[in-house]
Amino acid sequence: GDSVTQMEGPVTLSEEAFLTINCTYTATGYPSLFWYVQYPGEGLQLLLKATKADDKGSNKGFEATYRKETTSFHLEKGSVQVSDSAVYFCALSDTGNQFYFGTGTSLTVIP
Amino acid sequence: DTEVTQTPKHLVMGMTNKKSLKCEQHMGHRAMYWYKQKAKKPPELMFVYSYEKLSINESVPSRFSPECPNSSLLNLHLHALQPEDSALYLCASSSLAGTNYEQYFGPGTRLTVT
Repeated sequence: GDSVTQMEGPVTLSEEAFLTINCTYTATGYPSLFWYVQYPGEGLQLLLKATKADDKGSNKGFEATYRKETTSFHLEKGSVQVSDSAVYFCALSDTGNQFYFGTGTSLTVIP
Repeated sequence: DTEVTQTPKHLVMGMTNKKSLKCEQHMGHRAMYWYKQKAKKPPELMFVYSYEKLSINESVPSRFSPECPNSSLLNLHLHALQPEDSALYLCASSSLAGTNYEQYFGPGTRLTVT
């Protein structure tokens, strides 16, 4: 079945550091891939998405590239800010009805 | 507008109470979802409505009863809950058009069962 494996946290970085959160997936079809962010006390917000191989999703300085050959969708940001502190979820869907979420990675950015 | 609204924001209920959670979206989405999220865990799918019909029920106990009165509204009726049902309940919606599979989430209802 479909699944997502996400880098274990928590991750603590200093402001302006480079961020990578690893995400790999298993899927029988050709899924769309997503990164969601959840700030404390809030729901999930769509951060970025990619719908086919080699697509790059980007938003608010975050990027992720859909790599079919390595079944990966790693999240990166060149310079994190304190306001980026949140939990990040990698997810996939190949039918629209079912989402498969990773376990989430908690990021804390310290000034 | 990509907003999904949920009410109430917080709910405390006893094990014998009956209450309802409400969710609304005005994006014209034809799929709506209920998730349960425990602290530090990913959301767990409970129910899916597609075109106002229940299409997925992930073996949720009958003390949770979903309802989709129209394409914009989704309710979750709660009755005789247990303390372990305390969690953040998230509603989401998606388009179902083409490969636009992304789901848009509401802010959630924080439920405490005493």
